Amino acid sequence: NAGVMQNPRHLVRRRGQEARLRCSPVKGHSHVYWYRQLPEEGLKFMVYLQKENIIDESGMPKERFSAEFPKEGPSILRIQQVVRGDSAAYFCASSPPMRGVVGNEQFFGPGTRLTVL
Amino acid sequence: GDSVTQMEGPVTLSEEAFLTINCTYTATGYPSLFWYVQYPGEGLQLLLKATKADDKGSNKGFEATYRKETTSFHLEKGSVQVSDSAVYFCALTPTGGGNKLTFGTGTQLKVEL
Repeated sequence: NAGVMQNPRHLVRRRGQEARLRCSPVKGHSHVYWYRQLPEEGLKFMVYLQKENIIDESGMPKERFSAEFPKEGPSILRIQQVVRGDSAAYFCASSPPMRGVVGNEQFFGPGTRLTVL
Repeated sequence: GDSVTQMEGPVTLSEEAFLTINCTYTATGYPSLFWYVQYPGEGLQLLLKATKADDKGSNKGFEATYRKETTSFHLEKGSVQVSDSAVYFCALTPTGGGNKLTFGTGTQLKVEL
């Protein structure tokens, strides 16, 4: 069984370019989450998506960042006009349908390490 | 808002030593509590969890007890191995089964022979 897949694993961009990070959840999981880990910090929640819907984007920066989880294909985290402060590890996680489950586990991918030059 | 505080690292121990990594939280009601582990170059893996007060989560020799009175979820292991070297994150999800994980800053553990 494949776990959460993320690609690319490493991404280098120059300031002002766009970064696209992809996440394929565990098969059968309909919930996807994105987290950002800045150097020497813990993971910070960014966004929670279900198929074709953004459920909670309270952790997303107001500008330049967007996320989608289309009906078909992977979830995409898009960062436009990257700046050096965007350099971080971006982790995707997935979980099965919640249905009111308490303590539902999220399964994490290996992360994409973005470096902005 | 919710928050998690855990002891800073790195923590360096000799093999077979006793491990404690402290974790306290701030949240309303009864959040679910988790410990995740991150090995070098990998994503996070769930180590253990507890969903209600006085529950004890355990896995691979690690354990943690949900203490509502002290708002704590300290991670312990009686005898660490070199292979336990990793970064450990304490985390919570809100009362009622919310989805957003709130993490502590992580504690790096180094176990030496």
